[in-house]
Amino acid sequence: GAGVSQTPSNKVTEKGKYVELRCDPISGHTALYWYRQSLGQGPEFLIYFQGTGAADDSGLPNDRFFAVRPEGSVSTLKIQRTERGDSAVYLCASRRDRANTGELFFGEGSRLTVL
Amino acid sequence: GQQLNQSPQSMFIQEGEDVSMNCTSSSIFNTWLWYKQEPGEGPVLLIALYKAGELTSNGRLTAQFGITRKDSFLNISASIPSDVGIYFCAGAFTGNQFYFGTGTSLTVIP
Repeated sequence: GAGVSQTPSNKVTEKGKYVELRCDPISGHTALYWYRQSLGQGPEFLIYFQGTGAADDSGLPNDRFFAVRPEGSVSTLKIQRTERGDSAVYLCASRRDRANTGELFFGEGSRLTVL
Repeated sequence: GQQLNQSPQSMFIQEGEDVSMNCTSSSIFNTWLWYKQEPGEGPVLLIALYKAGELTSNGRLTAQFGITRKDSFLNISASIPSDVGIYFCAGAFTGNQFYFGTGTSLTVIP
């Protein structure tokens, strides 16, 4: 597609439920990132994929958070046993990953509200 | 995770005025990016910088990669109402993990 696409745009769930957030990156972009943005804050790094593999997952807050990218394109961020503190906008970004081309292109985000 | 310090935190300016904001880090970066975010949307890339001392323009926007590699600056000339939004800097060392600033909120008064 022309840009990074994220679904759903909004998700309201109850504490303890399981949630999946999907990201469809720009066609041809090999690198994919997940960030979390709380109100009034800058994006906080969660995980980075290079192709199918997670090259850096050091930003995942705990083992309730998991992300996959099985075919090197679409990625799914999975949150188990959601807590109210998980409420935030989850942003996905992709990058072409050529030398000296470091720009990240973001989607519009998925706003998660845990009641 | 690491966050970069941006200042000022917020700005209220008259239309037509110039704007300056900066971003500082305790770490050295080899890539600096500047983004603008509007409510309900993802950040949109404005300018990318790759070399210390580099000065790059995009229309009324000019950004500089600090010589120390620990800071960057963004200037907006002759501000207009559509410049309203939150401006974020982002820095990377390896080109893989990008750290974002705390943001500068800009309000332009017509």
